[in-house]
Amino acid sequence: DAKTTQPPSMDCAEGRAANLPCNHSTISGNEYVYWYRQIHSQGPQYIIHGLKNNETNEMASLIITEDRKSSTLILPHATLRDTAVYYCIVRGQNTDKLIFGTGTRLQVFP
Amino acid sequence: EAGVVQSPRYKIIEKKQPVAFWCNPISGHNTLYWYLQNLGQGPELLIRYENEEAVDDSQLPKDRFSAERLKGVDSTLKIQPAELGDSAVYLCASSLGMRGAYNEQFFGPGTRLTVL
Repeated sequence: DAKTTQPPSMDCAEGRAANLPCNHSTISGNEYVYWYRQIHSQGPQYIIHGLKNNETNEMASLIITEDRKSSTLILPHATLRDTAVYYCIVRGQNTDKLIFGTGTRLQVFP
Repeated sequence: EAGVVQSPRYKIIEKKQPVAFWCNPISGHNTLYWYLQNLGQGPELLIRYENEEAVDDSQLPKDRFSAERLKGVDSTLKIQPAELGDSAVYLCASSLGMRGAYNEQFFGPGTRLTVL
């Protein structure tokens, strides 16, 4: 079973920041938080991952709470092309196995 | 650089018929994955290959599903015979497969199977 809990859906206005929450209260010390997204009719796409520090790349920022029990994916300036299902995944250090939940369906509107 | 290629993109068959899906991973990627994605759900791993060896096939229903990756490059997933409940998207992914490092998985567009 997935070790994460996400809201099923969210809306965001184009140009605004999209903040997608994820709860992973049972995460252990050597487990990473990964985010993937899946645009309609495409396969999932890697976005970002982190262990305990906040991370930023060209796509998004990942904020992980100090107790590591939750995190937030931030898309700083959402566009219509960011409309997708976003998956938060907890992955062990010694495995490449990804266990997907049902994700959050983000709808960006004009 | 080409991504993961899958064919066909769509397949419609009648129940009890066989079906096969093909995947060509990114060049140089040693690890190949097949996932099943039901409507409204996240992908679920069916089988993982490291080169030509299936290292995790615990979720593959072996009574009707089979897979092969004979030369450690492209792979085929087969269902025989197909059942109505097999209607889903079948995703292929690949990664470099470097030991001791996280290997980002790159996904193909999937094959949407409809069993009538």
